[in-house]
Amino acid sequence: GAVVSQHPSWVICKSGTSVKIECRSLDFQATTMFWYRQFPKQSLMLMATSNEGSKATYEQGVEKDKFLINHASLTLSTLTVTSAHPEDSSFYICSAEDGGTTEKLFFGSGTQLSVL
Amino acid sequence: SQQGEEDPQALSIQEGENATMNCSYKTSINNLQWYRQNSGRGLVHLILIRSNEREKHSGRLRVTLDTSKKSSSLLITASRAADTASYFCATGNNNAGNMLTFGGGTRLMVKP
Repeated sequence: GAVVSQHPSWVICKSGTSVKIECRSLDFQATTMFWYRQFPKQSLMLMATSNEGSKATYEQGVEKDKFLINHASLTLSTLTVTSAHPEDSSFYICSAEDGGTTEKLFFGSGTQLSVL
Repeated sequence: SQQGEEDPQALSIQEGENATMNCSYKTSINNLQWYRQNSGRGLVHLILIRSNEREKHSGRLRVTLDTSKKSSSLLITASRAADTASYFCATGNNNAGNMLTFGGGTRLMVKP
């Protein structure tokens, strides 16, 4: 099956630091990628839809200036948490679409962000 | 708000028993998918059932879908300790930006 690589797996940083998370589709091209956030023992909440070559679409309540998304190529989307604070600590997961339907969404392994 | 609501939120059973988890949703869907997540890990895709299907099997997994009731169930038969994980349903609507909307999840613990 298709592989989505997410990096890094775990980040610990000081408050005020900006953190970049990468999501790569390794063996397919993904015009659309999705970023999710997950708090402990809770479900995944969609943050934004990343579209190659255009601006990301953010879900209601997600600050676009806080969570910068760049989808510069068909195989790479990045999420940058700017000036991270402890409340940004969370598990972030990306998924990439291969084929234009929800039947072909593949997930990265997630990034645990801990902001001290 | 979540598209899917899962029940129960937590389930504890003995090894060898069957585990049943339910998922309800609110809007129209093209498919419904079940995922497993071990603590602190990514998602593992288990099974997909399309809106025109009623039941699907994969190994020890059995999924049903009732579109009239907007609900689905996941049955794990002959559970094993290794099945301990959180299980999420996710609904797919190809007309809604090809995104998946996740339910709240069921935390399953299988005791050896």
